Amino acid sequence: EAGVAQSPRYKIIEKRQSVAFWCNPISGHATLYWYQQILGQGPKLLIQFQNNGVVDDSQLPKDRFSAERLKGVDSTLKIQPAKLEDSAVYLCASSLWTSGSYEQYFGPGTRLTVT
Amino acid sequence: AQTVTQSQPEMSVQEAETVTLSCTYDTSESDYYLFWYKQPPSRQMILVIRQEAYKQQNATENRFSVNFQKAAKSFSLKISDSQLGDAAMYFCAYFSGTYKYIFGTGTRLKVLA
Repeated sequence: EAGVAQSPRYKIIEKRQSVAFWCNPISGHATLYWYQQILGQGPKLLIQFQNNGVVDDSQLPKDRFSAERLKGVDSTLKIQPAKLEDSAVYLCASSLWTSGSYEQYFGPGTRLTVT
Repeated sequence: AQTVTQSQPEMSVQEAETVTLSCTYDTSESDYYLFWYKQPPSRQMILVIRQEAYKQQNATENRFSVNFQKAAKSFSLKISDSQLGDAAMYFCAYFSGTYKYIFGTGTRLKVLA
């Protein structure tokens, strides 16, 4: 079974530039999560999708971050414009979302450095 | 609001010894799930073990076991016969019917040869 795929793995941009991350979840997983993980901290949920719909985006800085999930499969997360404090690892995770199966499967992450 | 607290930023254990990582949480819900995830350096996060709140029996996965104390809202992870490959950040996580995952701040485990 293929795992959660993310690209790119690393990205360096200057502040005020824009950047986009891509995630392909495990086949059949209805739920997709985007997390921001700052060095030395736990993952912070940015947005959660259930199929095509957004379940929770309460911690997404909507003035600069946006996300979409195309046809309930792939997802992209965009930052425009980036700030220095956006430097972090962006994790994508997916979950099967059936009774008793709520564990998340994580991708390798995208390490973003904003200079 | 639900919270998850890991009070040990860093722990060390000798190879082949046993170590226990602590996690406490706060919730008013009765039905939820608890997880321990492992994040090795520069590698992706993987699930170590999970516990359903309605189950009284503590979960066990090979060398990993939990001590789930529902009344005390405590969920500790015990690693027996520690191996060098166990060195990682360990995150405790809570999930409930509100569909939110909440992670703790993590405990860095060092395994000494």
